[in-house]
Amino acid sequence: GNSVTQMEGPVTLSEEAFLTINCTYTATGYPSLFWYVQYPGEGLQLLLKATKADDKGSNKGFEATYRKETTSFHLEKGSVQVSDSAVYFCALSPNTGNQFYFGTGTSLTVIP
Amino acid sequence: DARVTQTPRHKVTEMGQEVTMRCQPILGHNTVFWYRQTMMQGLELLAYFRNRAPLDDSGMPKDRFSAEMPDATLATLKIQPSEPRDSAVYFCASGLEPQETQYFGPGTRLLVL
Repeated sequence: GNSVTQMEGPVTLSEEAFLTINCTYTATGYPSLFWYVQYPGEGLQLLLKATKADDKGSNKGFEATYRKETTSFHLEKGSVQVSDSAVYFCALSPNTGNQFYFGTGTSLTVIP
Repeated sequence: DARVTQTPRHKVTEMGQEVTMRCQPILGHNTVFWYRQTMMQGLELLAYFRNRAPLDDSGMPKDRFSAEMPDATLATLKIQPSEPRDSAVYFCASGLEPQETQYFGPGTRLLVL
């Protein structure tokens, strides 16, 4: 079946620290992979995505590379800011059907 | 800048009352999803539609929840009767095709007393 597993939170970092949030997936076929971000009191927003193996998605300084060999899509940012404090969701969409599969979310707090 | 809109943004009601939540998907999108988010359960898929047809509502308690798309510009989620355990944030999302990005609305924050 299809599923996404992401690292447990919460994660607390100091400003300018390096961020990694791990995400691994199980899927049949060749899914598309996504990272969504949810700021307090808001809905989820697409942060980045990758549609095939070895693709790198990037946005706002965040990056994630679609690794088929390790079934992973880890989110990274070289230097986090206070404004990056949010909940981050990894998700996949299989190549058949319409449903998205979301991870449980990882809460990030960045302190000055 | 096209957005998914949801009404109401906040709803407080008493147990046993009917609750109706509305969603206007982005014009031209042909898939619509309803999610529920709670601290305990995280993000749960309740139902989704493609071209207004319900494809999967297995995540929805059938006895009290119902989801419909009366037309392409409106999706509704109803709870009747509501219970305190239904208190959550309900999100609607729309997308263009399978595997395409889902665009989320701001959510309806429901509190059932």
